[in-house]
Amino acid sequence: DIQMTQSPSSLSASIGDRVTITCRASQSISSSLNWYQQKPGKAPKLLIYAASSLQSGVPSRFSGSGSGTDFTLTISSLQPEDFATYYCQQSYRTPYTFGQGTKLEMK
Amino acid sequence: QVLLQESGPGLVKPSETLSLTCTVSGASINSYYWTWIRQPPGKGLEWIGYIYYSGSTNYNPSLRSRVTMSIDTPKNQFSLKLTSVTAADTAVYYCAKVGMGVIDHWGQGTVVTVSS
Repeated sequence: DIQMTQSPSSLSASIGDRVTITCRASQSISSSLNWYQQKPGKAPKLLIYAASSLQSGVPSRFSGSGSGTDFTLTISSLQPEDFATYYCQQSYRTPYTFGQGTKLEMK
Repeated sequence: QVLLQESGPGLVKPSETLSLTCTVSGASINSYYWTWIRQPPGKGLEWIGYIYYSGSTNYNPSLRSRVTMSIDTPKNQFSLKLTSVTAADTAVYYCAKVGMGVIDHWGQGTVVTVSS
């Protein structure tokens, strides 16, 4: 299985901050990397697919980059509704695998 | 708008079979791949497997011996069966739609507890 490792596991930030979350794959996955946002008690929501493509309806403050083994999710200016847990997921090979999650909390 | 809704028992006894159904609206099940994902309490996401409308399946090797997925195209539904459950199978179970490995539409999730 391809292992996905996110860092940090948790992050405290303030409204307006620029935030970056990193995801590393245990082997090259080209650009087959997706990002999801999950709020408590809710299903995950797709934010970014194919490493850098913004899902329809997702605010442009979210962006993704990377290829191969190293990827980042950036929120350019944190808004109150962005406090949540973020997961990366590789879709390069089954079994699809997720990172352990990054919990973004208010400072 | 694609909507998915999970249904099934919320409580299953150890060693028995967990059975869930996902009803899809707003999209024909005769396209795309359809998947199940679970999330144990306070933990991360685990992909269980997917099924195509043709009936072809791909399961996570970690669960393959216990998982069966099926599809009912006239009802626009697909289903999950997980046999010989233990407390470790307690989780929120999500059904979802998959496009090129991207999970783009999710159900709201259903809590399944394994307990006697």
